[in-house]
Amino acid sequence: SQQGEEDPQALSIQEGENATMNCSYKTSINNLQWYRQNSGRGLVHLILIRSNEREKHSGRLRVTLDTSKKSSSLLITASRAADTASYFCATGNNQGGKLIFGQGTELSVKP
Amino acid sequence: DGGITQSPKYLFRKEGQNVTLSCEQNLNHDAMYWYRQDPGQGLRLIYYSQIVNDFQKGDIAEGYSVSREKKESFPLTVTSAQKNPTAFYLCASSTPGQSYGYTFGSGTRLTVV
Repeated sequence: SQQGEEDPQALSIQEGENATMNCSYKTSINNLQWYRQNSGRGLVHLILIRSNEREKHSGRLRVTLDTSKKSSSLLITASRAADTASYFCATGNNQGGKLIFGQGTELSVKP
Repeated sequence: DGGITQSPKYLFRKEGQNVTLSCEQNLNHDAMYWYRQDPGQGLRLIYYSQIVNDFQKGDIAEGYSVSREKKESFPLTVTSAQKNPTAFYLCASSTPGQSYGYTFGSGTRLTVV
């Protein structure tokens, strides 16, 4: 079952602009994670935010979590062509450590 | 370097044939997972294992089987009972508590011919 829905499904921006992707989920969680996938490759873990945190930063990434609205957002600042990839949110709870992934947002950054 | 290795990168299966996808990790992770990804879609969980000699079904386990005889290895067999096996298969591993997220392999693309 898919836990999360991501919005938008696809996003196209110019280099230097900021990119914002949103993720909504349905059930209670203890953490939410964001991953990046380049075409035809495996996923790479970007950042994890726990349910008792509201905001987290890592380099050009900023993640927010609103548990009352069951939603999260990923902001990539000053985007680069190399940021072109699909981005997935994934939610974790206490059920055996497994993650449930959203459908992903396909980001295209044009030079 | 520590990591997780999937092989082969590409695999072709004939109708009615079983095939096995390999997943090996040297990260000393207890938990391992298999996901399936269809074009333009998210990941769906097939099977997962939290400890050696134990594994649980995920959301789409029908037509698949796994074993976990060693901590480092979690092979996935796609059986002839899986009617639509063409997909991208991803293996991942993690430490208990998910504090550090999953580490993924580079995937195996399976095609039925």
